[in-house]
Amino acid sequence: AQTVTQSQPEMSVQEAETVTLSCTYDTSESDYYLFWYKQPPSRQMILVIRQEAYKQQNATENRFSVNFQKAAKSFSLKISDSQLGDAAMYFCAYRAFQGGSEKLVFGKGTKLTVNP
Amino acid sequence: DSGVTQTPKHLITATGQRVTLRCSPRSGDLSVYWYQQSLDQGLQFLIQYYNGEERAKGNILERFSAQQFPDLHSELNLSSLELGDSALYFCASSPQAGGSTDTQYFGPGTRLTVL
Repeated sequence: AQTVTQSQPEMSVQEAETVTLSCTYDTSESDYYLFWYKQPPSRQMILVIRQEAYKQQNATENRFSVNFQKAAKSFSLKISDSQLGDAAMYFCAYRAFQGGSEKLVFGKGTKLTVNP
Repeated sequence: DSGVTQTPKHLITATGQRVTLRCSPRSGDLSVYWYQQSLDQGLQFLIQYYNGEERAKGNILERFSAQQFPDLHSELNLSSLELGDSALYFCASSPQAGGSTDTQYFGPGTRLTVL
């Protein structure tokens, strides 16, 4: 079964600094997608960034970028120039397709605190 | 704002009761997914509907059921409620059944409290 592991329950960063959140996953499939979702105190789930497994180039969205290491099954999120509004729970998620349907598996999350 | 709406925002009920949660997907999205987020289990996928048909099942209890209507809105029915069913229930939608460009967008959630 596919699993997603976020080994850091909590992280903190100073405003304007850079922080990296870790995520590893386990799968035997070759075609899959990886996501980072942000859940602020409002509890809304907001898509931050996505990565297709077949792409070697790491995805980037403004201050957010990933380090995707397919062989190591690692998918970390780097937040540059951290802002107070980045404080939230961050969930790593894995999506795979099997027989026309899909499964989405989430990690347990990392709580990010941004200190002014 | 993701474009996915969920009602109600909060629901408080008693054990043994039955409730219905409603979700309207983003305009044009054909798939609806339901998730449960609880403190001990984290975010768990429950079920997916695509264009009115059940597409995939996750960790959904037999006491729970869902459906997607012709206008593509979806309802999640929870019956014989137990204290452990207290959780945040998310609905998400995506354009297709899960293709290469498909991404799920989440609604604001319904917080269910079972007393």
